[in-house]
Amino acid sequence: TQLLEQSPQFLSIQEGENLTVYCNSSSVFSSLQWYRQEPGEGPVLLVTVVTGGEVKKLKRLTFQFGDARKDSSLHITAAQPGDTGLYLCAGAQGQGGKLIFGQGTELSVKP
Amino acid sequence: NAGVMQNPRHLVRRRGQEARLRCSPVKGHSHVYWYRQLPEEGLKFMVYLQKENIIDESGMPKERFSAEFPKEGPSILRIQQVVRGDSAAYFCASSPGDRVYNSPLHFGNGTRLTVT
Repeated sequence: TQLLEQSPQFLSIQEGENLTVYCNSSSVFSSLQWYRQEPGEGPVLLVTVVTGGEVKKLKRLTFQFGDARKDSSLHITAAQPGDTGLYLCAGAQGQGGKLIFGQGTELSVKP
Repeated sequence: NAGVMQNPRHLVRRRGQEARLRCSPVKGHSHVYWYRQLPEEGLKFMVYLQKENIIDESGMPKERFSAEFPKEGPSILRIQQVVRGDSAAYFCASSPGDRVYNSPLHFGNGTRLTVT
């Protein structure tokens, strides 16, 4: 069974702090996606990374895909209360939308 | 533009009853996926369908669960003779193509099934 280990599972920080969420696997992925999910809603795509070593930035969020395409990280700079939510990584091993999801990181940013 | 619409949002069934979950994909999307999210667990792939065809059902329990995506109408996930362990949030996602890196999934807000 392919697994995607996401850490930490819970993270509680103060506004203005930086944080990094990790997603690791022993499997190679053709692409990796990061989602954010609010309570009672479905996941919303933040970014897709495809190439090993790729770095993408979305405002204060920086996403990196490992050189071997087995791991990824999400770094948030100067976190704000509006960043609070569940962050999910998901790996694709083929071309289709059959994704393997990590367990999620529950982020809480306190003002 | 309407996103993926799932209904009902909440469904309560007694053990042994049938549950029918509906998903209307984004207009123009012909690829539909169903995922299940159990409490304290991540999303798990269940089934991938295109119009009138099941492409991959490797994540679907072999008994009691079935899915369809007819030529007309929504995709249906059907659970027969529900048990307490079926209680979960069921999410549907759609995409316009089968290349996830350039045809991202659009998720609905899920159906929360509670089996009493």
